[in-house]
Amino acid sequence: NAGVMQNPRHLVRRRGQEARLRCSPMKGHSHVYWYRQLPEEGLKFMVYLQKENIIDESGMPKERFSAEFPKEGPSILRIQQVVRGDSAAYFCASSPPPGAEETQYFGPGTRLLVL
Amino acid sequence: KQEVTQIPAALSVPEGENLVLNCSFTDSAIYNLQWFRQDPGKGLTSLLLIQSSQREQTSGRLNASLDKSSGRSTLYIAASQPGDSATYLCAVRGSAGGTSYGKLTFGQGTILTVHP
Repeated sequence: NAGVMQNPRHLVRRRGQEARLRCSPMKGHSHVYWYRQLPEEGLKFMVYLQKENIIDESGMPKERFSAEFPKEGPSILRIQQVVRGDSAAYFCASSPPPGAEETQYFGPGTRLLVL
Repeated sequence: KQEVTQIPAALSVPEGENLVLNCSFTDSAIYNLQWFRQDPGKGLTSLLLIQSSQREQTSGRLNASLDKSSGRSTLYIAASQPGDSATYLCAVRGSAGGTSYGKLTFGQGTILTVHP
């Protein structure tokens, strides 16, 4: 059973471009979470999704950021018109539905650098 | 709003020592608490998960305790090895039915260095 997959592992964008980060959860996991780790800061929750539903987006910046988890395919975190302050490591985690095993399994992260 | 604090921020010890890493949280209404390990430039590896109804969990040389009422958890590492060098993160999950259920709130981490 492959772990949580994220791609790309590294992404370089110029200010004003769009960044798309992809996350494939572990097999059988229907819940996905995105976290951001800014330089010299801890991990901060961004958004919690189920298939085709956003459950909690309380950690998402109000503008430029969006996330989806379609019925088919990976979860996508999209950042429009990137700025230097978006440079960070973005981690995705997945878990089975609540009531089953509660551990969140993390992917290796996507390191975004905005020039 | 849940806040998680980890002490110390950094720890450097010689090989073989027994270690204690501390984690405290402000809202005791948690669903569970997880300890992770993060190696430089890598993702997070789950070490131990303690449900809110449990007092401790053990895995090999690691033992984690939870005192929910006082908002504290301790990770104990026995007979430390250089391979234990990493950043250790504590994270709590909000209680079921609450607005923070599902998401993890992380501490800033403890950077551990074990010298040969």
